[in-house]
Amino acid sequence: EVQLLESGGGLVQAGGSLRLSCAVSGFTFSNYAMTWVRQAPGRGLEWVSFISGSGDNTYYADSVKGRFTISRDNSKNTLYLQMNSLRAEDTAVYYCANRFQYSSSWTSFDHWGQGTLVTVSS
Amino acid sequence: QSVLTQPPSVSAAPGQKVTISCSGSSSNTENNYVSWYQQLPGTAPKLLIYDNNKRPSGIPDRFSGSKSGTSATLGITGLQTGDEADYYCGTWDSSLSAGVFGGGTKLTVL
Repeated sequence: EVQLLESGGGLVQAGGSLRLSCAVSGFTFSNYAMTWVRQAPGRGLEWVSFISGSGDNTYYADSVKGRFTISRDNSKNTLYLQMNSLRAEDTAVYYCANRFQYSSSWTSFDHWGQGTLVTVSS
Repeated sequence: QSVLTQPPSVSAAPGQKVTISCSGSSSNTENNYVSWYQQLPGTAPKLLIYDNNKRPSGIPDRFSGSKSGTSATLGITGLQTGDEADYYCGTWDSSLSAGVFGGGTKLTVL
């Protein structure tokens, strides 16, 4: 059974840092590109970042570029999101998801975690 | 303001059909594959449609996707109360080198 389990969320002051983790099981982690998607309270989905299976290629939304860093440890089957210089508008539930293996698209994600809440106080 | 434009809400009666549009541009929907997600209240999104019109295993054929030009459409037939959810389109934007989602559409089954 495929499982993605996020952790690391919490309350942080504006300007602070957090590192989110996403522990994966049930598939060969290194074969799959991964993504972070967030959802502010009562708002829609916002794509945050994407990393290839090898970790060699990464992409970011303009809203987080230069502040957030996506990475992965394929030996630990874990995806990370280092978040620095946090702002109130970064408050959201953060989901990790894996790219769907049968899709030709970089934005088809078939397994999602339950999400972890990040709250940035100003 | 989302890069992809969806109607905020749609509604229809049980058993009826509804369509949800997703409008973009040449840098995203027109030249990249579109996916559709269903998000039930309090849950993570679920992939309904990928590569414009394909359904993952387990997704009923009541759900369909299509694309023409810069617009994509999600169709749902035989509406059920359990289909009440938020629906999102998503794709890659080649100009931004980033993923983008629509603002979401809330489906109400009256």
